[in-house]
Amino acid sequence: DAGVTQSPTHLIKTRGQQVTLRCSPISGHKSVSWYQQVLGQGPQFIFQYYEKEERGRGNFPDRFSARQFPNYSSELNVNALLLGDSALYLCASSHSWGQGVAKNIQYFGAGTRLSVL
Amino acid sequence: GNSVTQMEGPVTLSEEAFLTINCTYTATGYPSLFWYVQYPGEGLQLLLKATKADDKGSNKGFEATYRKETTSFHLEKGSVQVSDSAVYFCALSTSYGKLTFGQGTILTVHP
Repeated sequence: DAGVTQSPTHLIKTRGQQVTLRCSPISGHKSVSWYQQVLGQGPQFIFQYYEKEERGRGNFPDRFSARQFPNYSSELNVNALLLGDSALYLCASSHSWGQGVAKNIQYFGAGTRLSVL
Repeated sequence: GNSVTQMEGPVTLSEEAFLTINCTYTATGYPSLFWYVQYPGEGLQLLLKATKADDKGSNKGFEATYRKETTSFHLEKGSVQVSDSAVYFCALSTSYGKLTFGQGTILTVHP
């Protein structure tokens, strides 16, 4: 079975632009989460979605938004890009949300590396 | 809030050496604990997990024991290989799956 897939792999933008990152979860998984990993640091939680509803949000500005589609894929949007938004953006999927540890284990994609110039 | 602290890195070892990477946590309630590994240019892979106190997670020769009394989840391996070179992240999760990560430890193993 295919794992979590993310696109694009790499992206270069300039300050002030907008970007959309895409994620397809593992087949059968209904929850998607987004994380930002700045170079040299651990991933930071941005959003979690389950059944198309936002179930959690990290400490990120309103420039960051996301949504989940009926097929459980997800998009992360970042508006008005800043140099500090340069990072690896990781998507993770899990079977469900709030139904025990086994079904909440998160499996990660390879990420989208965003460079803001 | 929840937090995870990993030992300062990087860690450099010779092949077949013993590995320990320390991890301590602060959390409300009873979190689950994880170790993820990130190879160069790749995303995170789940290495092992433990869901309650005194549980031992193990995989590929790596082990970690959930110690509630010391709020620790140290990663160990008896004999490392060059192929173990990667970045290792300790993480915790509450019941809804959101992960809180440590800062990561870079491991380099030389032949």
